[in-house]
Amino acid sequence: AQSVTQLDSQVPVFEEAPVELRCNYSSSVSVYLFWYVQYPNQGLQLLLKYLSGSTLVKGINGFEAEFNKSQTSFHLRKPSVHISDTAEYFCAVSDRDTGGFKTIFGAGTRLFVKA
Amino acid sequence: DGGITQSPKYLFRKEGQNVTLSCEQNLNHDAMYWYRQDPGQGLRLIYYSQIVNDFQKGDIAEGYSVSREKKESFPLTVTSAQKNPTAFYLCASSIAGQADYEQYFGPGTRLTVT
Repeated sequence: AQSVTQLDSQVPVFEEAPVELRCNYSSSVSVYLFWYVQYPNQGLQLLLKYLSGSTLVKGINGFEAEFNKSQTSFHLRKPSVHISDTAEYFCAVSDRDTGGFKTIFGAGTRLFVKA
Repeated sequence: DGGITQSPKYLFRKEGQNVTLSCEQNLNHDAMYWYRQDPGQGLRLIYYSQIVNDFQKGDIAEGYSVSREKKESFPLTVTSAQKNPTAFYLCASSIAGQADYEQYFGPGTRLTVT
């Protein structure tokens, strides 16, 4: 069965510093990968997704992620974070052969941006 | 604006009572989902529906029930059989059930049962 591991439960970082949130998934022939962001007491919203093609994916709010098939990773990066980026970030994986209802979400990484 | 609404935002119930959480979408999406979110555990799928009048159990369906009588509505009932119902509940929808479609989430309902 597919699984997703977010390697850090919490990541503190100073404002304007770069950040990387790590995500690994179990191997599968064809996967689709997503990063979602959740602000306090709100639902999730899509940051970016990888379906196929270029392994570097750009999303909203200056975030980008790189799909690495050999390492089964999909790490999220931002070169310079803002206070407003403080939120919880979820990596998610779905398998082309099983459908969206089998999307597996990671446990989340809480990003704290300090002034 | 199109989106998903969930009501109420906060809900308090006594143990042994059934409670129904509302989820409405005006995105004209076919697929809808209910997730439960607990701290440090990510999202776990309770039920999903790919089309009106059809729904399937997810990974943690015990103690929950749903209906899908209208395309835009997918209410979730938390029954007294659910042993640990206190949690944050998220409703989501997608254009269809395929794996490459992202899910759109509502703002959530925080249920507290005492």
